[in-house]
Amino acid sequence: DIVMTQSPLSLPVTPGEPASISCRASQSLLNRNGNTYLDWYLQKPGQSPQLLVYLGFNRASGVPDRFSGSGSGTDFTLRISRVEAEDVGLYYCMQALQAPFTFGPGTRVDIK
Amino acid sequence: QVQLQQSGPGLVKPSQTLSLTCAISGDSVSNNNDGWAWVRKSPSRGLDWLGRAYYRSEWRYDYATHVEGRMTIIPDTSRNQLSLQLNSVTPEDTAVYYCAKTRALGQGIVSWGQGTLVTVSS
Repeated sequence: DIVMTQSPLSLPVTPGEPASISCRASQSLLNRNGNTYLDWYLQKPGQSPQLLVYLGFNRASGVPDRFSGSGSGTDFTLRISRVEAEDVGLYYCMQALQAPFTFGPGTRVDIK
Repeated sequence: QVQLQQSGPGLVKPSQTLSLTCAISGDSVSNNNDGWAWVRKSPSRGLDWLGRAYYRSEWRYDYATHVEGRMTIIPDTSRNQLSLQLNSVTPEDTAVYYCAKTRALGQGIVSWGQGTLVTVSS
């Protein structure tokens, strides 16, 4: 199975400031079709998870443009250009290259 | 807009079978493009992808390594729903369980059920 790691595991943030989360896969997530199969999800307190980014950098429908995904191969980053109070929660990366799909351990983002 | 409505017991005894159902509206369980997954969230494991079912002229299944052999996903086309059965549960299976819709071609898990807290305890 592909193992996913994230850092940091806890991220206190200041509203209006940028933030970033790193994700690393135990093997390349590049498919032979040229796409990289890495998603980012946010689970806000008391809610079901929601998709933020798919295929490494594509924002899901309705996701604010302050969220951006980047990276390639095994190393990826989710950036929030200016954190808002509503962005608190648990952020997960997930590889969708090969089943079984696997999530990272999660990064808890909260307000300082 | 697809909606996923989960149902099932919130308490299961150790060694018994956990059974949950996900009723799908606004889409077809036998959608030839997308798929359906079960994911759980526990304090110890975070988000945990359990398995998926998808229809491509026939039903296909994938399961997470740590539940393979005791987990079954059952699509029901007549009721347009998806069921999960997890056998021989232990307290480690205590979690919030979600059914979800997965888009094809790596486009992510786009819809989630409301979640069902299942506690494994005698």
